[in-house]
Amino acid sequence: RKEVEQDPGPFNVPEGATVAFNCTYSNSASQSFFWYRQDCRKEPKLLMSVYSSGNEDGRFTAQLNRASQYISLLIRDSKLSDSATYLCVVNGETSYDKVIFGPGTSLSVIP
Amino acid sequence: DVKVTQSSRYLVKRTGEKVFLECVQDMDHENMFWYRQDPGLGLRLIYFSYDVKMKEKGDIPEGYSVSREKKERFSLILESASTNQTSMYLCASISPRAANTGELFFGEGSRLTVL
Repeated sequence: RKEVEQDPGPFNVPEGATVAFNCTYSNSASQSFFWYRQDCRKEPKLLMSVYSSGNEDGRFTAQLNRASQYISLLIRDSKLSDSATYLCVVNGETSYDKVIFGPGTSLSVIP
Repeated sequence: DVKVTQSSRYLVKRTGEKVFLECVQDMDHENMFWYRQDPGLGLRLIYFSYDVKMKEKGDIPEGYSVSREKKERFSLILESASTNQTSMYLCASISPRAANTGELFFGEGSRLTVL
């Protein structure tokens, strides 16, 4: 089993749609969780952290379920500029542990 | 503005050549990482370093080595390049104090083609 798994995608959605991405991780001792965004031919950049209580940043909502080892990202009112690959990222038990990236899910928002 | 700089954006090398990929960060970060990114496989960790002269193998270290002689610089070395090492290589850094924020800073990537 891979350490971090994501929906295979690609997701093609119309502008204004709501889209949800899921992610599961295998190491129950993982401490920190994040969503990164990667535009085509660019480097990944941090989108948002994921907190146990769930957190929201504008149109983006992230949730964590430690018992199920599951992370989600919800995007409401999709914009064309949301088109990108979304990477689920899990950090290990200490700051020296490697950071594990999921394979990413591609999103295309269509006019 | 924080910055991670990779020495070359695009390289074309021949099978058997030695390849150096250099990465420099100006944020005084202790931890640095080398990943490769391939379609359908995502980012895979090659090596990481948490201090000068320290290194740890990642998931796919075979065929690679690294060097961390100075805190700001982390080099990836392909001793004898092979065609299956054609890929996008991404360097990243993070401060252990920022580990909980998760903000890895990436370079722009080096796209290596081995012929």
